[in-house]
Amino acid sequence: QTVVTQEPFLSVSPGGTVTLTCGLSSGAVSASSYPSWYQQTPGQPPRTLIYSTNTRSSGVPDRFFGSVLGNKAALTITGAQTDDECDYYCILHLGSGLWVFGGGTRLTVL
Amino acid sequence: QVQLQESGPGLVMPSETLSLTCTVSGGSVRSDTHYWTWIRRPPGKGLEWIGDIHYTGIINYNPSLKSRATISVDTSKNHFSLELSSVTAADTAVYYCGSQTHLGFHDWGRGTLLTVSS
Repeated sequence: QTVVTQEPFLSVSPGGTVTLTCGLSSGAVSASSYPSWYQQTPGQPPRTLIYSTNTRSSGVPDRFFGSVLGNKAALTITGAQTDDECDYYCILHLGSGLWVFGGGTRLTVL
Repeated sequence: QVQLQESGPGLVMPSETLSLTCTVSGGSVRSDTHYWTWIRRPPGKGLEWIGDIHYTGIINYNPSLKSRATISVDTSKNHFSLELSSVTAADTAVYYCGSQTHLGFHDWGRGTLLTVSS
């Protein structure tokens, strides 16, 4: 069974830059995995940040940037703000209509 | 953007079948480009994709839930539904419905908490 991997915890200083990654337990992530990124704060629904590797969802500031770095998908946040402190999830398409979420990254801004 | 609203019983007895409905507004479930999806987040855990459906009848399921999950769409009511049979406490979660294209997931409902307990 393929597992989608994310860093469980990351931290960034206010105003700083942080990169979250999304990998596969076997194989490399590519554009054909349609990597997407979601932000979730407690008690709120997910917010779509990025889909199809690097397309920002409506209203998402350009501080959030999606890419593929090496064999992983990546979400880079620049100019980190305290409001960015929450959980981030990636999801990958593994073919045959199957989507799998990563375990999530809890980002701390301090 | 479409708006989605989940509805459900809130509490289900163990071994019973849960039923949730997602009403779509601002768009039609009879979209050629959209799939309609269900995900969940158990307390203290991460997001889990349950499955999705296209109005033409194409349905995809998470293999770990496939034997218990049934997703359907009602074009006359512009909503889609999830049934999950033989529920246990492990199925306690906030359930979200969403809209999806082949590029990824886009819009989400606000979620509904479903608790499995006797």
